[in-house]
Amino acid sequence: QKEVEQNSGPLSVPEGAIASLNCTYSDRGSQSFFWYRQYSGKSPELIMSIYSNGDKEDGRFTAQLNKASQYVSLLIRDSQPSDSATYLCAVKAGGYNKLIFGAGTRLAVHP
Amino acid sequence: DAGVTQSPTHLIKTRGQHVTLRCSPISGHKSVSWYQQVLGQGPQFIFQYYEKEERGRGNFPDRFSARQFPNYSSELNVNALLLGDSALYLCASSLTWTESSYEQYFGPGTRLTVT
Repeated sequence: QKEVEQNSGPLSVPEGAIASLNCTYSDRGSQSFFWYRQYSGKSPELIMSIYSNGDKEDGRFTAQLNKASQYVSLLIRDSQPSDSATYLCAVKAGGYNKLIFGAGTRLAVHP
Repeated sequence: DAGVTQSPTHLIKTRGQHVTLRCSPISGHKSVSWYQQVLGQGPQFIFQYYEKEERGRGNFPDRFSARQFPNYSSELNVNALLLGDSALYLCASSLTWTESSYEQYFGPGTRLTVT
């Protein structure tokens, strides 16, 4: 079992729609969770961090965390073609100073 | 404010050689982490340093080493390069290394090609 799992995609959504990206993790001791966006050939860019169960909103982005189900998600409202990228879920390992990344989900927003 | 900077941008080395990659964190950030990213995968953790001390180490061979300087900049060294070391090497900085402030910000990366 991978420590952080994401559907590789591609997830294809029309412009203006809601994109839903999901991530599951195996370490029950994890307390800190992050979403990064990575454009092709570029480095990851931090979008959101979430530490508590529930929803956290920032502009068009909403992160959702359910520690009991070991599940993190990212919703992108009003998706734009410029949102087309790979989205990486990262989890801070419980008791360890390191981030564990999933392999990422490719999102394609078509006009 | 300047973000995380890394040098060089690209590097081509031959098997068996040694390489040094450099990173300067965001001003005010005291922690630096190093990651390796191969195509199609997420970044894989190599090291984390805070206040010049190693705070975390990933599953990489001893050929990989790092250090942090008093100005919080950092170097990643890789000895006896193998073809499999070809990857994007990413440096990330964060304010500290504690649970509540672990947001990490990545530099542009160094693309290493080993031939």
